[in-house]
Amino acid sequence: DAGVIQSPRHEVTEMGQEVTLRCKPISGHNSLFWYRQTMMRGLELLIYFNNNVPIDDSGMPEDRFSAKMPNASFSTLKIQPSEPRDSAVYFCASSSGTDLHEQYFGPGTRLTVT
Amino acid sequence: AQKITQTQPGMFVQEKEAVTLDCTYDTSDPSYGLFWYKQPSSGEMIFLIYQGSYDQQNATEGRYSLNFQKARKSANLVISASQLGDSAMYFCAMREGRDNQGGKLIFGQGTELSVKP
Repeated sequence: DAGVIQSPRHEVTEMGQEVTLRCKPISGHNSLFWYRQTMMRGLELLIYFNNNVPIDDSGMPEDRFSAKMPNASFSTLKIQPSEPRDSAVYFCASSSGTDLHEQYFGPGTRLTVT
Repeated sequence: AQKITQTQPGMFVQEKEAVTLDCTYDTSDPSYGLFWYKQPSSGEMIFLIYQGSYDQQNATEGRYSLNFQKARKSANLVISASQLGDSAMYFCAMREGRDNQGGKLIFGQGTELSVKP
């Protein structure tokens, strides 16, 4: 059974470029979460979806960040334009409506903006 | 205000000994869940244990147990018989609201545990 899949695993880009991070949740899970981890701020939720609908996007830093979930098996987090302070590890996690005791995390995407 | 506080940035423990990682939380919601995750140096987040606010007994999962003291708003993780592979960052997290309401996790800053041979 595949876990949460994220791509790419590593991304290096120049300031000003558009970055798109991708996530495939575990099949059957109906909640999807995007987190960002930095040394300074720790792990923080950016946005989460329930049944493909954004429920809470209060953690999205600014308009440069956007997230979509066009269907139950795919989500994207886009940064446009990217800035060096966006450098972080971005995690996607999913959970099932029948077992919310656990959020299953993907391996993360390490983003470096130079 | 900090919702989840982990006061120990780093901890050392001798192999085969038990260790307690501290976590205190702050919420006015009567329904909430408390989680512990492990993050080894490879970076992935691994779920360890969960405690619901209405659970009467402390949660246990193998060598992990959660010392839940509701009145003190603490949810300490106890690892028994430490192993070298337990060396990692450990995060305490809280979700407010009932289990069936979904919801985001709020994480503490983490405790780095080092197990000495």
